Amino acid sequence: SQTIHQWPATLVQPVGSPLSLECTVEGTSNPNLYWYRQAAGRGLQLLFYSVGIGQISSEVPQNLSASRPQDRQFILSSKKLLLSDSGFYLCAWNSVGTDYGYTFGSGTRLTVV
Amino acid sequence: GQQLNQSPQSMFIQEGEDVSMNCTSSSIFNTWLWYKQDPGEGPVLLIALYKAGELTSNGRLTAQFGITRKDSFLNISASIPSDVGIYFCAGQLKPSGTYKYIFGTGTRLKVLA
Repeated sequence: SQTIHQWPATLVQPVGSPLSLECTVEGTSNPNLYWYRQAAGRGLQLLFYSVGIGQISSEVPQNLSASRPQDRQFILSSKKLLLSDSGFYLCAWNSVGTDYGYTFGSGTRLTVV
Repeated sequence: GQQLNQSPQSMFIQEGEDVSMNCTSSSIFNTWLWYKQDPGEGPVLLIALYKAGELTSNGRLTAQFGITRKDSFLNISASIPSDVGIYFCAGQLKPSGTYKYIFGTGTRLKVLA
């Protein structure tokens, strides 16, 4: 069966520090991968999606970047965090050509102090 | 980015009551999905709808794909405390390779025992 892993679960980082969040999917190949951010009590904002290794599409201009170094690995990064980067970050995947929605990871709660 | 309008934004209900929430858009959607997010977790898919007028149930949950294809409804019967969480609708405008979904703003449900 397919599973999605995200880590760390929680993270407290100072302003100006770098960030690296990792997401991996098991049990499938060539998934579409997504990074979402959820501000406190708010909806889901799509940040990046990827349809293959090295292929990244950005939905909104921001202080973050994403990379997909391997088929089932998706990384969210920042060189210098801002206070406004705080939030709940969710990774998700779905299979190419399927319309069954996304499967989400358990999320990373990032607090920038 | 684009988001669907969900209402109500939040609601407090008594245990045992029925709950209704809806999602509307100015655009026509091919697919409607309903997710539930427990506190501190990623959203989990509850129901998927693929045809206008379709009515689908999952236990105490029932969702409908609006005839106009611009809206969807979710009903929860006989609510229980574990129904607490945020409910998101999601829609897909048209088939695409990535099957990107647009998410609603969420309905936060709180159940009073």
